[in-house]
Amino acid sequence: GQQLNQSPQSMFIQEGEDVSMNCTSSSIFNTWLWYKQDPGEGPVLLIALYKAGELTSNGRLTAQFGITRKDSFLNISASIPSDVGIYFCAGQRPDNTDKLIFGTGTRLQVFP
Amino acid sequence: NAGVTQTPKFQVLKTGQSMTLQCAQDMNHNSMYWYRQDPGMGLRLIYYSASEGTTDKGEVPNGYNVSRLNKREFSLRLESAAPSQTSVYFCASRSSGGASEQFFGPGTRLTVL
Repeated sequence: GQQLNQSPQSMFIQEGEDVSMNCTSSSIFNTWLWYKQDPGEGPVLLIALYKAGELTSNGRLTAQFGITRKDSFLNISASIPSDVGIYFCAGQRPDNTDKLIFGTGTRLQVFP
Repeated sequence: NAGVTQTPKFQVLKTGQSMTLQCAQDMNHNSMYWYRQDPGMGLRLIYYSASEGTTDKGEVPNGYNVSRLNKREFSLRLESAAPSQTSVYFCASRSSGGASEQFFGPGTRLTVL
């Protein structure tokens, strides 16, 4: 089945640094979502994007819906230890609005 | 609101045993989903139910059955567990209409020996 290409797979950064990750697809999407999963928990929705070119912020997090509709980006500014976790992108295709397709995740480690 | 709840939280089975994973949501959502999560594989859809009374296969349905008991509850059954079904299972729900966001439960960690 299709999965989104998400990169990087993992990141090890120092507290205070900014973080960027992205998701790409060979087909277009009409919705992009970004989730965070803490260890031992279920994914929690961070940001939802519905329009090509859209830029949306949630605190220190900013996500963008790529203008080609085939990619999305998530930035975290001034990282803190509680940012540790796995970040997943998810997309919804125009021809199947019942389902989401997930990326393989970016594992973020933040060192003090 | 509790959101999406799942039981049990942990389970160990022997090969060939059966069990049912339970999921309930209190958000009046129409659609419900079962995923499995394996290391490095992200989330893979097992089955989903777009509305009460309907169920459809996802990406990895083999070895599983589901029941949409009512609007609130969606269960996943393993009839004869295999070691390859060792995984973390997540249930999710989504409201109808244009909303795409799915909301996840805390997961069930299943080990099949």
